[in-house]
Amino acid sequence: DAGVIQSPRHEVTEMGQEVTLRCKPISGHDYLFWYRQTMMRGLELLIYFNNNVPIDDSGMPEDRFSAKMPNASFSTLKIQPSEPRDSAVYFCASSHRDSPDTQYFGPGTRLTVL
Amino acid sequence: AQSVTQLGSHVSVSEGALVLLRCNYSSSVPPYLFWYVQYPNQGLQLLLKYTSAATLVKGINGFEAEFKKSETSFHLTKPSAHMSDAAEYFCAVSPTYSSASKIIFGSGTRLSIRP
Repeated sequence: DAGVIQSPRHEVTEMGQEVTLRCKPISGHDYLFWYRQTMMRGLELLIYFNNNVPIDDSGMPEDRFSAKMPNASFSTLKIQPSEPRDSAVYFCASSHRDSPDTQYFGPGTRLTVL
Repeated sequence: AQSVTQLGSHVSVSEGALVLLRCNYSSSVPPYLFWYVQYPNQGLQLLLKYTSAATLVKGINGFEAEFKKSETSFHLTKPSAHMSDAAEYFCAVSPTYSSASKIIFGSGTRLSIRP
């Protein structure tokens, strides 16, 4: 299996622009997670889906952030408008229903907002 | 509420020396516990996990961790460090199996290996 795929790997944008991060989970996995990692706050869970349905979005920082999972093989995390404080590495992870706590992480997207 | 505390944000050991990374947990229910490793510019990778089957858990790359309920600890060890072990290590806790999908991560410990 190719593992969790994220794109782009690096994104540099200017404040106020819309940013869309993409994730393809491992085929057959039922859970999908979006995390944000910063030096100051460490690894934070933003939102997770089960069978394409958002279950817990309590970690989404504010309304500028939104996430969708239109089908089992694709998810997006959108920031609109972006701000410099959104600069971070964003990880997507997925897991199977037989072992939902065993999460497989993608390589991450490093976002820089100027 | 569940949480984990990793003692020491940075640990440095010599190649061939014992690796000991400390983690203490807080949980009101029997926890599931994990160690993840993150190599530079990569995502996290599961090293090992404790699910109450055995207190000593063996993981990949020669690492192991022991669950000690009396000490609320889940320290990670490796008898002999290798240069390739240099990475960031995260301890994590899962509140209950039914909601095990929501894992709480510690702040991480950066492991450096001296030649």
